[in-house]
Amino acid sequence: GAGVSQSPRYKVAKRGQDVALRCDPISGHVSLFWYQQALGQGPEFLTYFQNEAQLDKSGLPSDRFFAERPEGSVSTLKIQRTQQEDSAVYLCASSRTRGGSGKNIQYFGAGTRLSVL
Amino acid sequence: AQRVTQPEKLLSVFKGAPVELKCNYSYSGSPELFWYVQYSRQRLQLLLRHISRESIKGFTADLNKGETSFHLKKPFAQEEDSAMYYCALSALEGGAGSYQLTFGKGTKLSVIP
Repeated sequence: GAGVSQSPRYKVAKRGQDVALRCDPISGHVSLFWYQQALGQGPEFLTYFQNEAQLDKSGLPSDRFFAERPEGSVSTLKIQRTQQEDSAVYLCASSRTRGGSGKNIQYFGAGTRLSVL
Repeated sequence: AQRVTQPEKLLSVFKGAPVELKCNYSYSGSPELFWYVQYSRQRLQLLLRHISRESIKGFTADLNKGETSFHLKKPFAQEEDSAMYYCALSALEGGAGSYQLTFGKGTKLSVIP
């Protein structure tokens, strides 16, 4: 079946531009996560949704970052007034249930590579 | 707070040699530990998790709570094992916590033919 789909795959933005990154999770998956992966680093958590509720946004680096999942399916990560330090790969992952005790496996999308010039 | 440390950025081994990718973690509660793998031009995918206690593609990993380690091992490396390997930890913080993964920085495994 279809996996997690992210678009665009690549995005080049001028500093100060706003960008929107889209994630289509696996159908029926309740949980959705966004991660940021800088060059040479492991992915770092940004935010988590359970259905349409954003339950954890503790990893968002600044108030320029905003995520939503209004209907509990597709999610959008928006970055306002992009800065060079925002350049990274943004990964989306989804899992079937609420999680806990290792019941969940997170399935990752291919990511969006954002380059801010 | 939790932390995952993978001390080796790059590990090169010859085909047929044993492989051990090191992972240490820091977490005060009961963690769930995972190994994720990313082959060239592919997405991140789960390799194995400690609760399954299974061997995938010949790889095994045992959770050692005393040493807070979750090293990944394979007795005989194959060329197709060349990839980026990430150790990750999941933990529930509080009653309404999320289940995000905390990743190490990754180890690039290169298997020399």
